Amino acid sequence: GQNIDQPTEMTATEGAIVQINCTYQTSGFNGLFWYQQHAGEAPTFLSYNVLDGLEEKGRFSSFLSRSKGYSYLLLKELQMKDSASYLCAVRNYGQNFVFGPGTRLSVLP
Amino acid sequence: EPEVTQTPSHQVTQMGQEVILRCVPISNHLYFYWYRQILGQKVEFLVSFYNNEISEKSEIFDDQFSVERPDGSNFTLKIRSTKLEDSAMYFCASTGVSNQPQHFGDGTRLSIL
Repeated sequence: GQNIDQPTEMTATEGAIVQINCTYQTSGFNGLFWYQQHAGEAPTFLSYNVLDGLEEKGRFSSFLSRSKGYSYLLLKELQMKDSASYLCAVRNYGQNFVFGPGTRLSVLP
Repeated sequence: EPEVTQTPSHQVTQMGQEVILRCVPISNHLYFYWYRQILGQKVEFLVSFYNNEISEKSEIFDDQFSVERPDGSNFTLKIRSTKLEDSAMYFCASTGVSNQPQHFGDGTRLSIL
């Protein structure tokens, strides 16, 4: 089976750092991707990991541990516009994505 | 920056009618996908398409669904006889190389009455 878990909701303060966790159990693994989705809009790509370790892209970083089936997305210097849902998606050997339920992040002033 | 474009942005259709959702993937991309997202739920994979044929499809993609690349630019999703539960946001995505991130279009909101 395929299962991806993320916290449903998180709240953080403007300027702070937040870590969004994702655990997965999938039939195959060919990369873990993080997308941002504002309400009513399309997912937009943020970061991805194929190998273990940390990938940094500006204010966003993503970490992967394949042995633990675990990833996190780290958002630094939070801004109000970062309020959105953050989707963890695993690409299996068939190339399609299996998406997690998403974590709705609210950034408060 | 190149974009995936989808039309229409919103489609309202009577139950039982056929609907065609259209997508223009990024021009040099080779892999195409359709996903759907029912309101308030997660994004779900429907079908992937490469080299003019379906490479993978989910359980959702039953005989009522079909995809086509009628020319060098368009990629369409057809639902033959729509049901109420087909109401969702439908996203098209594409990628140039299979191991790269997928780029999503803005989606078509399909409402079945």
